[in-house]
Amino acid sequence: EDQVTQSPEALRLQEGESSSLNCSYTVSGLRGLFWYRQDPGKGPEFLFTLYSAGEEKEKERLKATLTKKESFLHITAPKPEDSATYLCAVNRDDKIIFGKGTRLHILP
Amino acid sequence: SAVISQKPSRDICQRGTSLTIQCQVDSQVTMMFWYRQQPGQSLTLIATANQGSEATYESGFVIDKFPISRPNLTFSTLTVSNMSPEDSSIYLCSAPSSSETQYFGPGTRLLVL
Repeated sequence: EDQVTQSPEALRLQEGESSSLNCSYTVSGLRGLFWYRQDPGKGPEFLFTLYSAGEEKEKERLKATLTKKESFLHITAPKPEDSATYLCAVNRDDKIIFGKGTRLHILP
Repeated sequence: SAVISQKPSRDICQRGTSLTIQCQVDSQVTMMFWYRQQPGQSLTLIATANQGSEATYESGFVIDKFPISRPNLTFSTLTVSNMSPEDSSIYLCSAPSSSETQYFGPGTRLLVL
């Protein structure tokens, strides 16, 4: 069965304290792995698409990496405005399957 | 990237009534998708709406409960019928992008009393 599992469920960091979020997946015929950011009461905001192992994408303080079985979202020197839920998802036959997300809280 | 809007943004409804949610995309797309996000949970796909054909529903979702219309390539509606408190959720529509992923609308927050 295709699955997307994210860890940890929640993470509290001090401002400036770097860390990584994990997304492990089991899906046949991967057509892309995606990271989204979701703020409370809003729709998911697209961040990155990764297609193949070894690929990396960066945006401001975020960097996403991909291996054959998992993806990491690295957050460098986070700020309070980075607080949100980060969702990982994969494309399977044009359907997007989401993980349950990691709730990230950055303390000032 | 596509710009997607939804109406209403939120609503409070009584048990047994129905609510129709509208989704507008600023460009023509073949497929549109409807998701449900229950409190504290991730997104679950309800159905795929193709223009000119009936929607395709995922396991656990049926047309009588969630009828969908897709009258043209930029618009779709989702109706939540005969609502109960268990239907309280955020309902989101999305459209595919050029990079295998989807862009999402802002969501409709529904509370059923």
